[in-house]
Amino acid sequence: GAVVSQHPSWVICKSGTSVKIECRSLDFQATTMFWYRQFPKQSLMLMATSNEGSKATYEQGVEKDKFLINHASLTLSTLTVTSAHPEDSSFYICSARGGSNEKLFFGSGTQLSVL
Amino acid sequence: RKEVEQDPGPFNVPEGATVAFNCTYSNSASQSFFWYRQDCRKEPKLLMSVYSSGNEDGRFTAQLNRASQYISLLIRDSKLSDSATYLCVVIQGGGNKLTFGTGTQLKVEL
Repeated sequence: GAVVSQHPSWVICKSGTSVKIECRSLDFQATTMFWYRQFPKQSLMLMATSNEGSKATYEQGVEKDKFLINHASLTLSTLTVTSAHPEDSSFYICSARGGSNEKLFFGSGTQLSVL
Repeated sequence: RKEVEQDPGPFNVPEGATVAFNCTYSNSASQSFFWYRQDCRKEPKLLMSVYSSGNEDGRFTAQLNRASQYISLLIRDSKLSDSATYLCVVIQGGGNKLTFGTGTQLKVEL
């Protein structure tokens, strides 16, 4: 079945640094990928919709200059958290529709901890 | 009112029990409904889609009530391995945007 690979699994970084998270569709092409954020004991919140070859569509309240999304190919989308701060510490998950039945597949998530 | 609401639990049940969760949604135009399972700090995994006619997959049964705008998940003969958070997911409008409930935590105990 369709698989989405997400790296890294976890990151610990100092405040002020930038962190890049990669999301790859391994055996299918994904024109659209989604980025979510999940704080402890809360639901997944859609941050943005990543569109191959065009600008991402951000949800209300998500700073596009802070969370840079690049979807340069049909199999890769990246999320860069720029100048990360402790309040950005969260679980970030990507997803993409794929396979013959267009089901939604999730990456394994990235736990970001900003010190 | 939240778009998708769930009782966060936790629901603590003994092994072998039957347990049910409900999820309400606010947008009557919602088109598709799913139950996902999420283990701690893992990605959500699709458990089952929810159809108007109701559907069953082994010990799991899902129901949709459009008139009252809720979906339900019934787990029979619960196992220790069923312990997880169950997320209600609704697709609205154009079909790409998924809205997640906060999840209901289930703990199955010996």
